[in-house]
Amino acid sequence: GAGVSQSPSNKVTEKGKDVELRCDPISGHTALYWYRQSLGQGLEFLIYFQGNSAPDKSGLPSDRFSAERTGGSVSTLTIQRTQQEDSAVYLCASSYTGTQGETQYFGPGTRLLVL
Amino acid sequence: DQQVKQNSPSLSVQEGRISILNCDYTNSMFDYFLWYKKYPAEGPTFLISISSIKDKNEDGRFTVFLNKSAKHLSLHIVPSQPGDSAVYFCAARAGTNAGKSTFGDGTTLTVKP
Repeated sequence: GAGVSQSPSNKVTEKGKDVELRCDPISGHTALYWYRQSLGQGLEFLIYFQGNSAPDKSGLPSDRFSAERTGGSVSTLTIQRTQQEDSAVYLCASSYTGTQGETQYFGPGTRLLVL
Repeated sequence: DQQVKQNSPSLSVQEGRISILNCDYTNSMFDYFLWYKKYPAEGPTFLISISSIKDKNEDGRFTVFLNKSAKHLSLHIVPSQPGDSAVYFCAARAGTNAGKSTFGDGTTLTVKP
């Protein structure tokens, strides 16, 4: 497909379990972002990749959160020992920078519910 | 401290009229601003952006105005259409190139036929 895809679309897990969220960016986009959106709030930045490296991890809320990107393409966001406050929509975006600046394209998100 | 604020959680307008969505920011390092539209169960879609070297950018029915001295921007939609009903997010960034954006909490726009 032409857009950013994310899987799973929905995930229900029990408190204390680990979860892995996947993002497939648009082919050729070197920058990749993870955000999360809690109910009724805006998007909260988590981490930004340029290629396989992450120059900005400042948004990761705790050491239970980690992310990696391999081959400059697919990225996985891992949440260890999930807590109920981790429940949110996790959004991935990839981007390119053109003459008008950077344009981010978002995936549909993964809805995570921690019981 | 919320650096990007959208003080109106919702806005309702009649089809054909103007919709004005407002956004305020506090960080003077922000120099690139974006608006996104989000439908339920979908990711945000980029609408329009503006660099701090401009005070207006227009794209079809959408115009963004930037008032740097007031640290305020607004999105105007004219004429509003029912299909414009969505959540609109304002975002700000330091620099036009890749880097994290700081988002507001969004304004839900309802355009009534």
